[in-house]
Amino acid sequence: NAGVTQTPKFQVLKTGQSMTLQCAQDMNHEYMSWYRQDPGMGLRLIHYSVGAGITDQGEVPNGYNVSRSTTEDFPLRLLSAAPSQTSVYFCASSYGAGLTDTQYFGPGTRLTVL
Amino acid sequence: GNSVTQMEGPVTLSEEAFLTINCTYTATGYPSLFWYVQYPGEGLQLLLKATKADDKGSNKGFEATYRKETTSFHLEKGSVQVSDSAVYFCALTLPYGGATNKLIFGTGTLLAVQP
Repeated sequence: NAGVTQTPKFQVLKTGQSMTLQCAQDMNHEYMSWYRQDPGMGLRLIHYSVGAGITDQGEVPNGYNVSRSTTEDFPLRLLSAAPSQTSVYFCASSYGAGLTDTQYFGPGTRLTVL
Repeated sequence: GNSVTQMEGPVTLSEEAFLTINCTYTATGYPSLFWYVQYPGEGLQLLLKATKADDKGSNKGFEATYRKETTSFHLEKGSVQVSDSAVYFCALTLPYGGATNKLIFGTGTLLAVQP
């Protein structure tokens, strides 16, 4: 199993550009989520999905869109990038959405918005 | 609100030293508690967890005990190795609010172990 994969590893955007961060998992996990990691702030939840066709907002959803058309994929879209979105983005998945379900994280995408 | 507070880093130790990384939490209800580790250039991995008061989580020589009376979940290891150098995150999940495995993270503590 590849686990949770993310592409690209690095990306530089200009303000106002759009892009999609890709996330895929091959573990047949129902729950998937996106976090951003900023210095001194830990990781914060952006959006999550409890199954195909179902998404919901996390702590910091503004400026990001998601969709979940398949169990395997959970892309994160930036419609109009802003410098405040410079961060490292992690995708995670787990078998279920239970309190103690172990979450598996991808290697991250480092995004810089100029 | 619900939050996790970790000790500031970096923590610099010599090999075979004893490690403690403090973690305290504020939460409504009865959270589950986790320690995640992030090695350089990688994503986070679950290190250990505890789901109720007085539970002890352990893995790879690391331990943490869920202390409800002090709302703490301190990470300890008796003898650290250079390979333990990483960032350690304390986190919790709450048993309400829809999907109950939304993680709330602390800010992370960088551990550097010198030979």
